[in-house]
Amino acid sequence: GQQVMQIPQYQHVQEGEDFTTYCNSSTTLSNIQWYKQRPGGHPVFLIQLVKSGEVKKQKRLTFQFGEAKKNSSLHITATQTTDVGTYFCAGRGFNKFYFGSGTKLNVKP
Amino acid sequence: GAGVSQSPRYKVAKRGQDVALRCDPISGHVSLFWYQQALGQGPEFLTYFQNEAQLDKSGLPSDRFFAERPEGSVSTLKIQRTQQEDSAVYLCASSETAGGMRNIQYFGAGTRLSVL
Repeated sequence: GQQVMQIPQYQHVQEGEDFTTYCNSSTTLSNIQWYKQRPGGHPVFLIQLVKSGEVKKQKRLTFQFGEAKKNSSLHITATQTTDVGTYFCAGRGFNKFYFGSGTKLNVKP
Repeated sequence: GAGVSQSPRYKVAKRGQDVALRCDPISGHVSLFWYQQALGQGPEFLTYFQNEAQLDKSGLPSDRFFAERPEGSVSTLKIQRTQQEDSAVYLCASSETAGGMRNIQYFGAGTRLSVL
């Protein structure tokens, strides 16, 4: 069945360092969404990418959708302690979303 | 309401008990999803409703799991004869439409189920 793989599982960075998480799907996705889940919280929507090769920016966050619409990445420039949490990608299939296992980001001040 | 509301927030059940988890989506949202999230994992799709119609239930792990949304608003996820492996956080999400640019999912705070 369709799977969405996400790496790395964990990332520990010093405040100010950059961070990237990668998402790969076994099949072509109609779109991909990114969510952030703080410890003890619920997933909160960050962004949706729809077009092949699309790049979107939100302040220090840059999101990319691959040309083949099978992979995506989230890059955070100059991390801050407020970036702590788990970042999930979610690929859209028919009538459902396939979530990656998430990348847990820890930022040391 | 202002957001997706789930109740109860926490549920402790003895193995073999039946439980019912409630989800109150954002008013007017067409789509409703149920997910199961194990510790340290991403949400796993369980089932999807478009209004009152259950269009996909392929993620329900067994026939002990049943979901309904009879009037196209509030939804209930029922688990019969709970087992220890059912222990997880159950998340509900709603979105405005079925597709297009307005299928952003808004999640509730979840129900943490512990089966002893």
